[in-house]
Amino acid sequence: EPEVTQTPSHQVTQMGQEVILRCVPISNHLYFYWYRQILGQKVEFLVSFYNNEISEKSEIFDDQFSVERPDGSNFTLKIRSTKLEDSAMYFCASVSGRSNEQFFGPGTRLTVL
Amino acid sequence: KNEVEQSPQNLTAQEGEFITINCSYSVGISALHWLQQHPGGGIVSLFMLSSGKKKHGRLIATINIQEKHSSLHITASHPRDSAVYICAVMKTSYDKVIFGPGTSLSVIP
Repeated sequence: EPEVTQTPSHQVTQMGQEVILRCVPISNHLYFYWYRQILGQKVEFLVSFYNNEISEKSEIFDDQFSVERPDGSNFTLKIRSTKLEDSAMYFCASVSGRSNEQFFGPGTRLTVL
Repeated sequence: KNEVEQSPQNLTAQEGEFITINCSYSVGISALHWLQQHPGGGIVSLFMLSSGKKKHGRLIATINIQEKHSSLHITASHPRDSAVYICAVMKTSYDKVIFGPGTSLSVIP
């Protein structure tokens, strides 16, 4: 069964460093999302992406964040200069366009030291 | 105010018990998800529903659109059902998912 994959599963970085989180959505899906979950809190929306552009972003998604779909298969989230408070689990999701069910990846745990 | 609320926040049950987790939401929706999150963090979709009732194995999900309420039932609970169960809604098709706070379930042998 097709699934959303994410790499790496765990990323440790120093404060101020750039990180790129990678997601491979299900093939032929059209809508893409990033969410994050700070430890002990609920999952929060970051950004949605459709037709090669951002369709919606939350107030969390400031200028330090960017998303890209560079090659038609990968969907990346870049954090330009990480802060301690960026430590969280980051989930990618995709939707086919025929159904509006979101399929979630396994997550990347980001630890900023 | 949270748009999606769940109760209870925490639940401990004996193996074999019938379990109900409730979700209420305050916005108009196109669909509602029930999701499962195990320690270690991955999210698994259990159900997506926009009306009525769905059943998968020992899990049953119901939704009442007029009352803005959904329930997840687990029959004959088992320790492997121990996880966080999350209710989440979408206001429109292809919209972002708005997550509830989750219900932490622990099933004791």
